[in-house]
Amino acid sequence: QVQLQQWGAGLLKPSETLSLTCAVHGGSFSDYYWNWIRQPPGKGLEWIGEIHHSGSTNYNPSLKSRVTISVDRSRNQFSLKVTSVTAADTAVFYCTKRRPYHYDMDVWGQGTTVTVSS
Amino acid sequence: QSVLTQPPSVSAAPGQKVTISCSGSSSNIGNNYVSWYRQLPGTAPKLLIYDDNERPLGIPDRFSGSKSDTSATLGITGLQTGDEADYYCGTWDSSVSAVVFGGGTKVTVL
Repeated sequence: QVQLQQWGAGLLKPSETLSLTCAVHGGSFSDYYWNWIRQPPGKGLEWIGEIHHSGSTNYNPSLKSRVTISVDRSRNQFSLKVTSVTAADTAVFYCTKRRPYHYDMDVWGQGTTVTVSS
Repeated sequence: QSVLTQPPSVSAAPGQKVTISCSGSSSNIGNNYVSWYRQLPGTAPKLLIYDDNERPLGIPDRFSGSKSDTSATLGITGLQTGDEADYYCGTWDSSVSAVVFGGGTKVTVL
């Protein structure tokens, strides 16, 4: 049974870089796609992007210019970086697991609240 | 403005049934599987339905999913106070090359 544990800085200033990491516990790290999704306060879900064990990535076009998702196979972890953050990036960020050929997220991390404020 | 359209809220009395609609287009719902999630206050979303109408292990059969053309529906029967939550639909959209979600529907048990 896969479990996801995530962490990262919760308070950033405008123009800084957001950095979050998600550790995968249990199951096979290589069989799935690892995603990031965010949820602004009081709003809905927004898909940020994903990475496969092989290193191949897929990003939401609306965020692609500022987002990098990377993988550390030795530690079964994957990470998210978002550059040049603004107040609009304030959200709860979730890491999730997706099966190949399916676009549902069947495992979610606990969420990390990131606030951007001067 | 979400790509998928859901009603902001639905409500019903305990024991009754509610349905939540999710409307899209041929680039998303019309040609891809739909999933549904429940988000209790202050917690991460949880997968309720995948592949339009399949339930993960542990999800009771009170929850059901269906799809027709470019719209999907989540049904909840035997409504319980613990079902009060926000519900989201999601799928892949080939025109924007991204996973997309509905804006969410708040279920209130009267």
